[in-house]
Amino acid sequence: KNQVEQSPQSLIILEGKNCTLQCNYTVSPFSNLRWYKQDTGRGPVSLTIMTFSENTKSNGRYTATLDADTKQSSLHITASQLSDSASYICVVSGRKGGNAGNMLTFGGGTRLMVKP
Amino acid sequence: AAGVIQSPRHLIKEKRETATLKCYPIPRHDTVYWYQQGPGQDPQFLISFYEKMQSDKGSIPDRFSAQQFSDYHSELNMSSLELGDSALYFCASSLGGTIDGNQPQHFGDGTRLSIL
Repeated sequence: KNQVEQSPQSLIILEGKNCTLQCNYTVSPFSNLRWYKQDTGRGPVSLTIMTFSENTKSNGRYTATLDADTKQSSLHITASQLSDSASYICVVSGRKGGNAGNMLTFGGGTRLMVKP
Repeated sequence: AAGVIQSPRHLIKEKRETATLKCYPIPRHDTVYWYQQGPGQDPQFLISFYEKMQSDKGSIPDRFSAQQFSDYHSELNMSSLELGDSALYFCASSLGGTIDGNQPQHFGDGTRLSIL
């Protein structure tokens, strides 16, 4: 069964500090991995999309890494701001024609709270 | 910049009733995706459309149907509603995408459907 597991489930950090969120997946065959930020009651906002051949991708203070061999990804947030408080969701897409079910598997998210 | 518009934002129905959710994609986006997120659950992909034709199908119940119109907006029709259909329904749009593609999906803020 395809799974995407995120850790930690929740995290509290002080404003200005850095943090790293983890995502492990078992989806195969793999197409791409996305990180989304979701504020409470709002739709997810795309942060990064990485394919098999990409190891790292940045979007401002967000940097995602991908190790397709170990099926792990991380999202690093630099110099956190209060507005970074949200849920961060890792979504893995399987390739059509494979055994990846509906081809899109969501992680349970990490709830980040940034305190002043 | 224009975003994905979903209507209504909130909808309350009773069991066995029908409901129609609407999604207006970002201008010039030709692909629409529907997701269902139950309370405390991960989003589940339901169905997607590209250029007014069904593109990918996920875990959409037989009681639900959807279509994309000539102006690219999409409607999700839900019949014989059940208590378990209570969820947040997200629509996302992209330009020329499939569910296993690498195009960023832009999400709306969702329709919260409550079944009494």
